Amino acid sequence: GQQVMQIPQYQHVQEGEDFTTYCNSSTTLSNIQWYKQRPGGHPVFLIQLVKSGEVKKQKRLTFQFGEAKKNSSLHITATQTTDVGTYFCAPSREGSQGNLIFGKGTKLSVKP
Amino acid sequence: GAGVSQSPSNKVTEKGKDVELRCDPISGHTALYWYRQRLGQGLEFLIYFQGNSAPDKSGLPSDRFSAERTGESVSTLTIQRTQQEDSAVYLCASSFTGGLYEQYFGPGTRLTVT
Repeated sequence: GQQVMQIPQYQHVQEGEDFTTYCNSSTTLSNIQWYKQRPGGHPVFLIQLVKSGEVKKQKRLTFQFGEAKKNSSLHITATQTTDVGTYFCAPSREGSQGNLIFGKGTKLSVKP
Repeated sequence: GAGVSQSPSNKVTEKGKDVELRCDPISGHTALYWYRQRLGQGLEFLIYFQGNSAPDKSGLPSDRFSAERTGESVSTLTIQRTQQEDSAVYLCASSFTGGLYEQYFGPGTRLTVT
């Protein structure tokens, strides 16, 4: 069945350092979304990637979709304490049109 | 409404009791999703509604779990004969339609089974 692996599970960084989380799939993806969940909060949509090799930027956040559409990454430049939270990738679920499968997430902590 | 709302926000129940969780999606959103999130864990998909039909309910963990939706509006998730392992935050999300639209999450219902 469809599997989505997200690494690392945890990342601790010093404020100002960069951070990257990776999402890998066993199958080709039609699209992928990214969400952020702050501690004690609910997931909030960040971005959607659809095209092969697509790169999108949101201020210090850079999202990439692999050429083969089997992997994706989120890179944060110069982390800030406001970046703390868990980042989830969520590609479309195979065989379930309109549905997503969430990765286990990468929990980011930032030391000031 | 302004966003997805869920009630109750917290629910403590005794093992063996039934509970009903409610989700009010954003008006006009045809797709509705239920997830379970155990402490410190990821999102576990439970069921997906498109309108009032459920094309994917593969995530319901047992026949103690059921859900229904009235039209393109309110949904209720019912857990019968609750067990301690059912303790978790139950999140509801809605989207304009499925697939390429972002999901908007509610604040969740924290269920504690004692």
